Amino acid sequence: DAGVTQSPTHLIKTRGQQVTLRCSPKSGHDTVSWYQQALGQGPQFIFQYYEEEERQRGNFPDRFSGHQFPNYSSELNVNALLLGDSALYLCASSLGRDSSGNTIYFGEGSWLTVV
Amino acid sequence: KNQVEQSPQSLIILEGKNCTLQCNYTVSPFSNLRWYKQDTGRGPVSLTIMTFSENTKSNGRYTATLDADTKQSSLHITASQLSDSASYICVVTASGGSYIPTFGRGTSLIVHP
Repeated sequence: DAGVTQSPTHLIKTRGQQVTLRCSPKSGHDTVSWYQQALGQGPQFIFQYYEEEERQRGNFPDRFSGHQFPNYSSELNVNALLLGDSALYLCASSLGRDSSGNTIYFGEGSWLTVV
Repeated sequence: KNQVEQSPQSLIILEGKNCTLQCNYTVSPFSNLRWYKQDTGRGPVSLTIMTFSENTKSNGRYTATLDADTKQSSLHITASQLSDSASYICVVTASGGSYIPTFGRGTSLIVHP
């Protein structure tokens, strides 16, 4: 049983470019959340997708957008990249939204470096 | 504003010793508190999950406690091993319609032989 898988694992982009990160949730999970983790910091919640809709959003600008597909996989898009967008982007999946004791599984992340 | 504060920021111990990590939170209304272990450059891995009614939860050598009245949690690691070297992150989620989790910045634990 594959856990949460993310791609690519590493990538380098130039300021102003756009990037798309991909996530496949753990089998049986229907909820996907995205997080940004800067070096030495805890993850910051970007948004959560459930039933193909953005259900919750953290304090991130509109340059950050996403999508969830019918098979529950998800994409994170970041436009007009800034140097400060350099971080580890984590995808997490769960069955249902984060309530009570549902276990949340994280992928290994996508390292984005903006130069 | 919901916040999660962890202490100490970093900790160095000798292999075989015990240690306790602290987590204080202001998240309200409270839904659940989780502890994660994150190896460098890897995704976090769940250690424990506690809801309001639970005050202790164990996972092998890891034991988490929760005091919902004082809004404090601790993670106790027994007989530490070199593989315990990692960042330990406390995450608290609110209830009441908003399920946005609030992450602490983590405690960096280094276990020396």
